[in-house]
Formats: sequence, structure tokens, C-alpha cells
Amino acid sequence: SQQGEEDPQALSIQEGENATMNCSYKTSINNLQWYRQNSGRGLVHLILIRSNEREKHSGRLRVTLDTSKKSSSLLITASRAADTASYFCATDQGFDMRFGAGTRLTVKP
Amino acid sequence: GAVVSQHPSRVICKSGTSVKIECRSLDFQATTMFWYRQFPKKSLMLMATSNEGSKATYEQGVEKDKFLINHASLTLSTLTVTSAHPEDSSFYICSAPTGTSYEQYFGPGTRLTVT
Repeated sequence: SQQGEEDPQALSIQEGENATMNCSYKTSINNLQWYRQNSGRGLVHLILIRSNEREKHSGRLRVTLDTSKKSSSLLITASRAADTASYFCATDQGFDMRFGAGTRLTVKP
Repeated sequence: GAVVSQHPSRVICKSGTSVKIECRSLDFQATTMFWYRQFPKKSLMLMATSNEGSKATYEQGVEKDKFLINHASLTLSTLTVTSAHPEDSSFYICSAPTGTSYEQYFGPGTRLTVT
């Protein structure tokens, strides 16, 4: 079963705009990870945020984690057409990982 | 919604033995499936892409003879860890795109412990 739930399921924006994707989960976690997947390809790890962290940056990516609300967000700033992909959050509960169904991001040039 | 199952969910085996992990798409056909492994507190690592009716595509650094992948049908891919060693202990997870959309569904994973 899918632990994380991404929101929205699909997002379409213009190049240069910011894209925000959200993820909610149900149980306690050790860390939360965000992955991207280009169509027909495997997952690529983007960023990991630990349960005791609230925000993390990596280039144009910004991830926040609110353990009280059991939610996380992924912000991609100044989006590019090459950012078009599916984005997944995954919760690490120590023994297993659980993935959401993903958000499909389309960035129009 | 689409579901992917894995079997077994947990397995303990002795060094030198082989272990087979199954990944099934339950209500859709998957010509492609992906196999990942995860070390404790680490991110997922893509191992290989399983293609129905043809050879799997392995990522750099993944031993083909060690991790045998067979995609025998449109709903089943198997990963066999041959001559397992303790360093093969890990969490293995498969995923499959539905093909009709950009959705990707993940199996619940298999925890392998090699003693």
C-alpha cells in the first residue's frame, strides 16, 4: 500500500514559475525522501530530510517537513522544461519505505 | 487503484543460498518494472530495469550474474539474489508504471537478511 500521498496528482506550470508539491503520511518516520522520475525511467533520488529537520535546500529545490502535521512539501523554484517529470515522496519508517503515487509536473516552455 | 505486490515480504537465508523475490502487477500489465535496493538510512538505488520478453537493463555497478532478473510475463518480474552474502542484506522494492498514465506504483518491498 502507498503510505505517502502526493498532492496535487498533476501540476502544469509555465517555465520560470515555482512548483510546489505536497506529501502527507500517516505514521511516524525516520526520514522522508523525494524522488523524481522521467517518463519510462527509474527513480532518481533528489533530497532526504530527517525527522528532526524542518527545512532543507539543494540547488533550486526546497523541502520542508512538518512532523506535527505529518506532511512535507517540495518546492522547485524557477522551473525549467527539463523539470517535467513525476515526483514521489517516500517515507522511511526504519524497516520499510513507503511511496506515494506521485505528482506529475509539466513545465511548459 | 493499481496495485503491485511483492513476495515474500521478509526472508532470512544463509550465506551461499539463493533467494527469489517476486514482483506482480495485480490489475494491470507492466512491460517494464524497476528493481531498487535500499541500505539502512540510505536512499533507494535503482538496480535494474526489467523488460518483458527481453533482457534486463542493469545500472552501472550492479552485478548481472549476482542479481538475476526475469520478466516472464506482463504481470510478473522476479529478482533472484544468487549465492547470497551478508552484504546483500537490504530492502528490495519493485515498481511498475501503469503504461496508461504517468503513474508509478510501488510494491511493499522485501526485507532480505542473509546470515
